Amino acid sequence: EAGVVQSPRYKIIEKKQPVAFWCNPISGHNTLYWYRQNLGQGPELLIRYENEEAVDDSQLPKDRFSAERLKGVDSTLKIQPAELGDSAVYLCASSLSPTMYEQYFGPGTRLTVT
Amino acid sequence: GQSLEQPSEVTAVEGAIVQINCTYQTSGFYGLSWYQQHDGGAPTFLSYNALDGLEETGRFSSFLSRSDSYGYLLLQELQMKDSASYFCAVRDGYSGAGSYQLTFGKGTKLSVIP
Repeated sequence: EAGVVQSPRYKIIEKKQPVAFWCNPISGHNTLYWYRQNLGQGPELLIRYENEEAVDDSQLPKDRFSAERLKGVDSTLKIQPAELGDSAVYLCASSLSPTMYEQYFGPGTRLTVT
Repeated sequence: GQSLEQPSEVTAVEGAIVQINCTYQTSGFYGLSWYQQHDGGAPTFLSYNALDGLEETGRFSSFLSRSDSYGYLLLQELQMKDSASYFCAVRDGYSGAGSYQLTFGKGTKLSVIP
């Protein structure tokens, strides 16, 4: 069974530029999560999807971040414009449903904003 | 809000036993999870405790005391490959936007030495 796939693995951009991250969850997993992990910290939830609906985006900085999950499968997280403080690893995770306690994480995208 | 405390670093000898503690303060609690993350890798699920007591999975065990808001991860017969960061995470069960959200601790970096 394929795991959660993310791309790109690494991205370096200048501040004020846009950037997008892509995630393909495990087949059949209806719940998808985007997390941000700063160096030396645990992952922090940005947004959670149930199928194509964003059901928890309370921690997503909506002035510059946006996300979508068309057709309830793949998802894209976008930052526009990026700021220096956005440098972090962006992790995507999925689970069969929100009641399942085990989440499966992808390898993440390491973003560096210069 | 949610608050989790765990030691930032632990060093142990190969073949030994190590315990990583986690204390939490949360406004809602449905269970405590543990995840392992190697440098540059994806967090991977290790265990979940919803009820008080010890859960054993091979060389790893996890314990929970809900009355003490405390849990620990026990790693036995340490191997070099166990060198990684270990995160405890609380699952809250609020209805609404906060449902089933995982809040992670800052992680404990375990170094296994020969």
